[in-house]
Amino acid sequence: DAGITQSPRHKVTETGTPVTLRCHQTENHRYMYWYRQDPGHGLRLIHYSYGVKDTDKGEVSDGYSVSRSKTEDFLLTLESATSSQTSVYFCAIRVDRENGYTFGSGTRLTVV
Amino acid sequence: DAKTTQPNSMESNEEEPVHLPCNHSTISGTDYIHWYRQLPSQGPEYVIHGLTSNVNNRMASLAIAEDRKSSTLILHRATLRDAAVYYCIRSQTGANNLFFGTGTRLTVIP
Repeated sequence: DAGITQSPRHKVTETGTPVTLRCHQTENHRYMYWYRQDPGHGLRLIHYSYGVKDTDKGEVSDGYSVSRSKTEDFLLTLESATSSQTSVYFCAIRVDRENGYTFGSGTRLTVV
Repeated sequence: DAKTTQPNSMESNEEEPVHLPCNHSTISGTDYIHWYRQLPSQGPEYVIHGLTSNVNNRMASLAIAEDRKSSTLILHRATLRDAAVYYCIRSQTGANNLFFGTGTRLTVIP
């Protein structure tokens, strides 16, 4: 299995502060993703990356930015956190189209 | 439309087989069908996938209808550790995303 780790696992932050979540993979998979999960919505795509410095928006990208300066790291930034961004955030890598995705363990973010 | 349709919840007795249905009536000929499951407080994990033929692995079996408009995930002998939310997903040709619906919450009764 491809190694994928997310940090931090839990974070509490105040409204209006910037927050950065990190996703790290130990293999050179090209595609990486950030999802958020909220009750009643399943997982929704925020942003994804298809290579170093190549990123694109998902269905719920407002208020988020991403960066990928190295193949192994994909960062998600909340420029100014709001209470609506309280959620569980999952990073994923695509192994290949047939074998699907591997997900991280998630980051629980609370914005107070 | 990348969506699939699944029942919101199902129950099964422990050690009984479980059949989790999924409708994907607008599936195209090259879309794979993937199943993931999410245990409490964990990220989704891959279960099985298929294209046209039925598939078996150590976790489950996937039965795909001949017209590919529906599929069924089969857990041959449910255990308490199989209690999870199960997602049926189309992996669309040319798409860079998996669309997750709300899935089926499986409860396993001891």
